[in-house]
Amino acid sequence: DVKVTQSSRYLVKRTGEKVFLECVQDMDHENMFWYRQDPGLGLRLIYFSYDVKMKEKGDIPEGYSVSREKKERFSLILESASTNQTSMYLCASSSGAGPIYNEQFFGPGTRLTVL
Amino acid sequence: GENVEQHPSTLSVQEGDSAVIKCTYSDSASNYFPWYKQELGKRPQLIIDIRSNVGEKKDQRIAVTLNKTAKHFSLHITETQPEDSAVYFCAASMKTSYDKVIFGPGTSLSVIP
Repeated sequence: DVKVTQSSRYLVKRTGEKVFLECVQDMDHENMFWYRQDPGLGLRLIYFSYDVKMKEKGDIPEGYSVSREKKERFSLILESASTNQTSMYLCASSSGAGPIYNEQFFGPGTRLTVL
Repeated sequence: GENVEQHPSTLSVQEGDSAVIKCTYSDSASNYFPWYKQELGKRPQLIIDIRSNVGEKKDQRIAVTLNKTAKHFSLHITETQPEDSAVYFCAASMKTSYDKVIFGPGTSLSVIP
């Protein structure tokens, strides 16, 4: 069974703080993703990574950065948290293998509140 | 870039009735269309998918149809049960994009016992 874990289920931070959200997968997957989930807006891709140290911007990268120093770990960084970054953050991974699409496996999510 | 629209945003059905969720996509190069289900407080999980070379796919009570010409695809759930209550997300993808998908905004389905 694929297991994707996230460092916190709930997080409360102050405006201006630097925030780290961490995601770990245990299936040797090539691809990892960070999404933001807001009511009525679905799952919006922030960044993804297709290899160690490789990353690409998604649809809403502004105000975020990412780090992938090891294959199993993908971190989302909010350099200076703002109230409009209050949201549910979901991490996902996929194997990236072969010529066909591979299912994404999601973590449990981190609900971040920025005060 | 790809854009995925999804309707309706909310849907209530009586237990045992059918439910249909419809999606449209904008990029004709998309060739893979997964559907994810997210129960309240849980993570999204893949429930069914369809590739561009297939018009319909069934798995027990759920089915997906794809009309590539019209760029429409739909999820059909028959004989709905309370455990079908969840948010459903359609998505579109091109394999060349590292398994990246673009999700629709979601449909909240409530099955009333």
